[in-house]
Amino acid sequence: EAGVAQSPRYKIIEKRQSVAFWCNPISGHATLYWYQQILGQGPKLLIQFQNNGVVDDSQLPKDRFSAERLKGVDSTLKIQPAKLEDSAVYLCASSSGFESPLHFGNGTRLTVT
Amino acid sequence: SQKIEQNSEALNIQEGKTATLTCNYTNYSPAYLQWYRQDPGRGPVFLLLIRENEKEKRKERLKVTFDTTLKQSLFHITASQPADSATYLCALEWGSQGNLIFGKGTKLSVKP
Repeated sequence: EAGVAQSPRYKIIEKRQSVAFWCNPISGHATLYWYQQILGQGPKLLIQFQNNGVVDDSQLPKDRFSAERLKGVDSTLKIQPAKLEDSAVYLCASSSGFESPLHFGNGTRLTVT
Repeated sequence: SQKIEQNSEALNIQEGKTATLTCNYTNYSPAYLQWYRQDPGRGPVFLLLIRENEKEKRKERLKVTFDTTLKQSLFHITASQPADSATYLCALEWGSQGNLIFGKGTKLSVKP
């Protein structure tokens, strides 16, 4: 089966600019996650979707981050405006449900200068 | 709030030895716990899942234990090889929706 696809692979922007990341999960996976991984840390959950509904966005900085999964398939994560501390790898993952393993993409490495 | 700790940032062992990684957690009783492997520049890859009512799980050279009294999981790699060198992440189920909270990871280096 095809894995989780993410793009772009790398992105460099200046602070206060905006950026968007795209994710296409494994076909048939209803649950989609966005994680932020800062260098040397474990992944931190930003938002979880079940189909096209939000299950958990309690750790999403909603003043600057937004995410959508309009048709219950692919998803977009946006940051506007970006801050220096947003420099991290943004990982998308999908799963088929409770207890199921998460399948991760290789992430987008964001550098904010 | 819940807290998850992996006991060391780095672990260096000799090829052929058993690597043992520790994951401790507080303030929560997860229904299950998962272990992932992450290589540089890649996303984490699932290795094993162990449920709260299971003491031990094995897969080839990998073994995971789960002690809900101690609030601890141990991850073992037997007969370690240089190809096992990677960062290993412990993740707890959280909130009954399939969320996972990850530890910081332990970077394992296996020397030939």
